[in-house]
Amino acid sequence: GQQLNQSPQSMFIQEGEDVSMNCTSSSIFNTWLWYKQDPGEGPVLLIALYKAGELTSNGRLTAQFGITRKDSFLNISASIPSDVGIYFCAGQRRGGYQKVTFGIGTKLQVIP
Amino acid sequence: GAVVSQHPSRVICKSGTSVKIECRSLDFQATTMFWYRQFPKQSLMLMATSNEGSKATYEQGVEKDKFLINHASLTLSTLTVTSAHPEDSSFYICSAQPSGVSDNQPQHFGDGTRLSIL
Repeated sequence: GQQLNQSPQSMFIQEGEDVSMNCTSSSIFNTWLWYKQDPGEGPVLLIALYKAGELTSNGRLTAQFGITRKDSFLNISASIPSDVGIYFCAGQRRGGYQKVTFGIGTKLQVIP
Repeated sequence: GAVVSQHPSRVICKSGTSVKIECRSLDFQATTMFWYRQFPKQSLMLMATSNEGSKATYEQGVEKDKFLINHASLTLSTLTVTSAHPEDSSFYICSAQPSGVSDNQPQHFGDGTRLSIL
């Protein structure tokens, strides 16, 4: 199925550094979602964005819904070791079965 | 809130066995649930959309007779992998979308089922 363009695909950062990852699409979404997946577990919802231009924070995480509705970014400030994992963006459209389209994921590794 | 329970978390069985995986929404109702398959180091690939009280909708390339889905209530969907073979070994994840609040609720995921066919 269709996937979003998510970048970077992996990153190594030093503990305490800020992190930024983004997602782009050729088509419009009504909702942008950011999930984190730890090994052997299901994705956990971090942030949901519902309006173009919306900027939402969840603790050290901040995400924005692009004004064109075709992109979104996620920032993590002051990274800590437990931020390690795979972060997925996802786009959702309104109506129908509301299938979600996932990005390929960004694997984050934090060096203590 | 929005807890999804998936069971079992891990299955190891012989080739030819049928395996049933359950997905329950514990604190909300879900008219729609989704089943995904995830290969190592890859993203989630949607297999099918499960709709309470009606037939599931399968994605292209997914065999409906191989992956049987039943959504008997607003809190339970099951995926049965029939006559499983080694190539069916994978990580299967379900998600549920809360119903009745608005038409734009995010999906909440279960913890996945690691299926290994010997």
